[in-house]
Amino acid sequence: GAGVSQSPSNKVTEKGKDVELRCDPISGHTALYWYRQSLGQGLEFLIYFQGNSAPDKSGLPSDRFSAERTGGSVSTLTIQRTQQEDSAVYLCASSFSQGGTEAFFGQGTRLTVV
Amino acid sequence: QKEVEQNSGPLSVPEGAIASLNCTYSDRGSQSFFWYRQYSGKSPELIMFIYSNGDKEDGRFTAQLNKASQYVSLLIRDSQPSDSATYLCAVTPDTGNQFYFGTGTSLTVIP
Repeated sequence: GAGVSQSPSNKVTEKGKDVELRCDPISGHTALYWYRQSLGQGLEFLIYFQGNSAPDKSGLPSDRFSAERTGGSVSTLTIQRTQQEDSAVYLCASSFSQGGTEAFFGQGTRLTVV
Repeated sequence: QKEVEQNSGPLSVPEGAIASLNCTYSDRGSQSFFWYRQYSGKSPELIMFIYSNGDKEDGRFTAQLNKASQYVSLLIRDSQPSDSATYLCAVTPDTGNQFYFGTGTSLTVIP
């Protein structure tokens, strides 16, 4: 696609429910990143995928968070048993190769846990 | 110690002035350096990248990199009110696995 596409744009969920956030990277980009940005805060790294290599999960805040990337393209970030502190904007970015080349962000998914 | 540090600001400059944004990083082996602009409620937008020591100019924007001092800066010439945003510095380490972001500097250009 022309840009990184994320869905949904907004998600309101009840505490304790599971949510899935989707990211469709720029066509041909092998690297995909998930970041989280809380209100007024910087970007918090969550997870990084590069091609078929094992993902770098070092930023995932708890075992309630998981992500997968099917066929080296679309990625899904899943948050189980959501908590209010999970409320944030979840940003996905992709780049042509691993870190060192420019990364482009999607518009983000604003998650609100009530 | 944070990987990437920026002065959070806010930084205010009059329209037409030069805005200077600064960033320091801790990993001496860092290879690539990026500046993103983020408008309120929007996602970050890439505006500049630099890989080598020295200056890189693109229109009104100039990125400056000094690896010996572990310092990267962004100069915005002829600042416009539309430049008012938060500017994020990002660095990739030698391993290149992820981008480390600073917390951003808020810039306001006063008409």
